[in-house]
Amino acid sequence: GENVEQHPSTLSVQEGDSAVIKCTYSDSASNYFPWYKQELGKRPQLIIDIRSNVGEKKDQRIAVTLNKTAKHFSLHITETQPEDSAVYFCALYNYQLIWGAGTKLIIKP
Amino acid sequence: DGGITQSPKYLFRKEGQNVTLSCEQNLNHDAMYWYRQDPGQGLRLIYYSQIVNDFQKGDIAEGYSVSREKKESFPLTVTSAQKNPTAFYLCASNSGRTGEQYFGPGTRLTVT
Repeated sequence: GENVEQHPSTLSVQEGDSAVIKCTYSDSASNYFPWYKQELGKRPQLIIDIRSNVGEKKDQRIAVTLNKTAKHFSLHITETQPEDSAVYFCALYNYQLIWGAGTKLIIKP
Repeated sequence: DGGITQSPKYLFRKEGQNVTLSCEQNLNHDAMYWYRQDPGQGLRLIYYSQIVNDFQKGDIAEGYSVSREKKESFPLTVTSAQKNPTAFYLCASNSGRTGEQYFGPGTRLTVT
């Protein structure tokens, strides 16, 4: 079945620097690619998403890029802040969400 | 909270007992989902339902059961056949048109 690989599993960056998380997939039929942020003990929250007819989408400090040819999509966070520390999940939708394994983002002060 | 409620927030049970977790949504969504999350791990799909009176097994359905008698409700029963039921359980729903899933606050189940 469909599989999503997410890298890295842990990412530690200095406050103010940028963070990039990448996901690769195999099913070309997928057309919706969301990113979720989950803080410790809480529910996942959608932070940004992209559809297959768009290559890039930006929302303030967060951006997502999609390369359908290469079958990968990435989350970019610029000017990282302590509140960005969380676990980030990528997913793709094809009748149901297929989830990546998650990336623990640590922002060092 | 995205219009999805789960109760209770914390649940404690003795081994061998069945327990039912509640999930209710007022978003008029057709599709509903149950996920299990273990500490430091990702989300694993237990069951999902695309429409009332119909549901499908996810990746880890063994030891769980569900029902979907009403559009608003999708309760999950953790049976005594589930060997390691202690986990964080998340319910979600979506309209089926966009793919965007809304999550409930979760139920943390501890079985001893």
